[in-house]
Amino acid sequence: SYGLTQPPSVSVSPGQTASITCSGDKLGDTYTSWYQQKSGQSPVLVIYQDNKRPSGIPERLSGSNFGNTATLTISGTQAMDEADYYCQAWDSSLVVFGGGTKLTVL
Amino acid sequence: QVQLVESGGGVVQPGRSLRLSCAASGFIFNSYAMHWVRQAPAKGLEWVASVSDAGTDKYSADSVRGRFTISKDNSRNTLYLQMNSLRPEDTAMYYCAKDLGSHETYGMDVWGQGTTVTVSS
Repeated sequence: SYGLTQPPSVSVSPGQTASITCSGDKLGDTYTSWYQQKSGQSPVLVIYQDNKRPSGIPERLSGSNFGNTATLTISGTQAMDEADYYCQAWDSSLVVFGGGTKLTVL
Repeated sequence: QVQLVESGGGVVQPGRSLRLSCAASGFIFNSYAMHWVRQAPAKGLEWVASVSDAGTDKYSADSVRGRFTISKDNSRNTLYLQMNSLRPEDTAMYYCAKDLGSHETYGMDVWGQGTTVTVSS
């Protein structure tokens, strides 16, 4: 079955840029979405169709998807960005989530 | 406002059944695909099942196929998940989510607060 691989954790200093990767076979051939989940809360869609932001999501969150890797980039990281982030793709009528990445803002 | 409210969770013995409901409001329910996603305690998100806008096309994860059935009642604006032959590993928070699209998955833009299912003897 199709799998998406994310690093378990990423650390970043306030104001710096954080990059969270998501790897899967030919991932660039399909759309990737990203979700933010803060402790005790439901997930929130932050990026869809690789690089689109829903209304209300800050411009400092951006996405890309090429080859086998999708990337969520958070510029000027703030304390409020500390959360778990999940990538998600669609393959052969099946939905797949990555294992999640815990972003820590030091 | 756009809202999803899950219900029907609880504690159930292994091998028993449970039906989850998700009441939708604030959007045209019959125009969007819907999903069930679960999260075991301290674990990541796991996709469970999806249904197309009209309720005709259904897909489910290998881990639940043959035991769980997703359905969509567009006349009642309600999504369901019928869960049979429950196992301890089905213990999780179950979320319903709305898709941006009508059939394929473009992104789950609205999530409910979740309902907890515990399978234990």
